[in-house]
Amino acid sequence: DAGVIQSPRHEVTEMGQEVTLRCKPISGHNSLFWYRQTMMRGLELLIYFNNNVPIDDSGMPEDRFSAKMPNASFSTLKIQPSEPRDSAVYFCASSLATRTGELFFGEGSRLTVL
Amino acid sequence: DAKTTQPNSMESNEEEPVHLPCNHSTISGTDYIHWYRQLPSQGPEYVIHGLTSNVNNRMASLAIAEDRKSSTLILHRATLRDAAVYYCTDTGNQFYFGTGTSLTVIP
Repeated sequence: DAGVIQSPRHEVTEMGQEVTLRCKPISGHNSLFWYRQTMMRGLELLIYFNNNVPIDDSGMPEDRFSAKMPNASFSTLKIQPSEPRDSAVYFCASSLATRTGELFFGEGSRLTVL
Repeated sequence: DAKTTQPNSMESNEEEPVHLPCNHSTISGTDYIHWYRQLPSQGPEYVIHGLTSNVNNRMASLAIAEDRKSSTLILHRATLRDAAVYYCTDTGNQFYFGTGTSLTVIP
């Protein structure tokens, strides 16, 4: 079975450019999570969706960040405009919305903003 | 206020048991406790979960305190491949991960 698929794996861009990260969750999973990981702050939850609906976006740092889930098999995280402090590894994870709710993570997208 | 707290780092000798602690200060009665680990340059992976009783699987054991305010992940014989960052979380805190415990295994 395919796991959570993220693209791109690596992205290098210049400050001010728009960045779009993509995620395909595991088929049949109806919860999707976006995390950001840095050395200083660890693994931070940015936003999560349940049945394609954003449930909690309190972790989204500011208006430059936006996330969408147009259908059950695709989600995007967009940063516009990007800044050097956005450099991090961004992980997408999916789960069944059950009480046990184990998360399955993708391999991450490493973003570098120059 | 932190939702779960863990030591920043721990060391263990190879083939010795390792007990990784976690405090779940805001856990409620129906929240499951989960543990994940993250190997270098990889995404986190699920290790084990439980509700009230101690749990065992092929990777580890999970001991849960009676009041559920703390849990311990037990690796029975640490190997070099167990060197990773270990995260505890619970489903009531929307999968807050924090910075985890970095485990070093000494040959």
